[in-house]
Parts: sequence; C-alpha cells; structure tokens
Amino acid sequence: KAGVTQTPRYLIKTRGQQVTLSCSPISGHRSVSWYQQTPGQGLQFLFEYFSETQRNKGNFPGRFSGRQFSNSRSEMNVSTLELGDSALYLCASGQGGGYTFGSGTRLTVV
Amino acid sequence: AQTVTQSQPEMSVQEAETVTLSCTYDTSESDYYLFWYKQPPSRQMILVIRQEAYKQQNATENRFSVNFQKAAKSFSLKISDSQLGDAAMYFCAYRSPVSYEKLTFGTGTRLTIIP
Repeated sequence: KAGVTQTPRYLIKTRGQQVTLSCSPISGHRSVSWYQQTPGQGLQFLFEYFSETQRNKGNFPGRFSGRQFSNSRSEMNVSTLELGDSALYLCASGQGGGYTFGSGTRLTVV
Repeated sequence: AQTVTQSQPEMSVQEAETVTLSCTYDTSESDYYLFWYKQPPSRQMILVIRQEAYKQQNATENRFSVNFQKAAKSFSLKISDSQLGDAAMYFCAYRSPVSYEKLTFGTGTRLTIIP
C-alpha cells in the first residue's frame, strides 16, 4: 500500500510570507500528526488531527495551524514566516501505537 | 510532562559487531508505548521496534532488540551484527495513553558503522 505522502519536498519562502504543507496519510488511517524537526530543538510535536478534529496541540504560536479534510488528508499552514521556522516538517499517520512517517517537507525561510 | 533522554549524541561500531543505544524516560504513567525510530539521510523516520509497557517481554525484530526496564524507566536498543545500512540517527520516543497519538522524542543518537 502507498505510504505517507508529503508535498512539496522542498520549499523556499521569504520572511513574512505564509506557507501551506500537505500530508496524505496511508489509506484508512484517520489520524495525522505533524512534527517540526530542527537541529536546535529536535523533534517537536505540532498537532494531531483525527476525523477532521484537532485532538492535541503542541506548544507553538498561533501562526502554526492545520486542518484535516474528510479524506483524511491534512494541511498545515504557517503564517508570517520567521527565519526560525526553517525546519524539516514531518507528518505521521496511524494510531494505537503504530505510526508511519512521510519523507518530510524541508522549509527554508530567507 | 514526559521527557525522553538519549545521553549518547554519537556512537560508532565496527561492522558485524553489536552496539547498544541508551534511552531513559520520565513518566508517572503505568501504561504507555515506547519506540525506536531510525532516520537515515533520506529523512524518513522508519519504525525499528515498539514496546508496550504492560508487556514484560522485551520486543525483538530480527537483529534489533530492546532491554526494557520499567522500574528503572530505561529502554535501550541493541543492534546485533551491525550492517552499513544501519548507519542513521536513532530516536527513542514515548507515547502516553492520554495524549492520543502524540510522540515525545529524545534528542537522538547518530550511529556510524565502521567497515
């Protein structure tokens, strides 16, 4: 079966812009989680969606938001980008203790 | 809040030898999941092994096994017969039963395989 698909793989944005990242989970998986990975802070949980509802949220400013569609695909949005938002953004699908990650979106803010 | 600590930023091992990566965690919960994930340069996080806290038996997956010491809150990963393809960042992660699907990760251990 197809894995978790994240698009785009790479993105370069200018400070102050906004960006939308997409994650398509494994077919049948209703939960999608997002993580930010940076050299300084490591892997940090952003939020988790299940059946179009946000069930959990990490400690990130309101500039970070997300949503999930009825087909379980999820998007995350970062508004008013800052240099510190440069990171690898990973999404994971699955629940109950088994998670599959996508290859991530590398966001560079210049 | 739970924390996960990986005290070895880097480890190296000769090909075909055995290496053990350390992980400790802090929690007041009695039922939880623990994971080891591998992240090669391709960036994708790959599940290596999973342990459910209520199971006393240590999980094993081929050359990978864990030493789960619940009282000591320790969850180490042993890689036997190390192969060049094992070179990667290894992350230990914790999942609470009350935080839905949120994983709390350690800072990772970079494993180098010496031919």
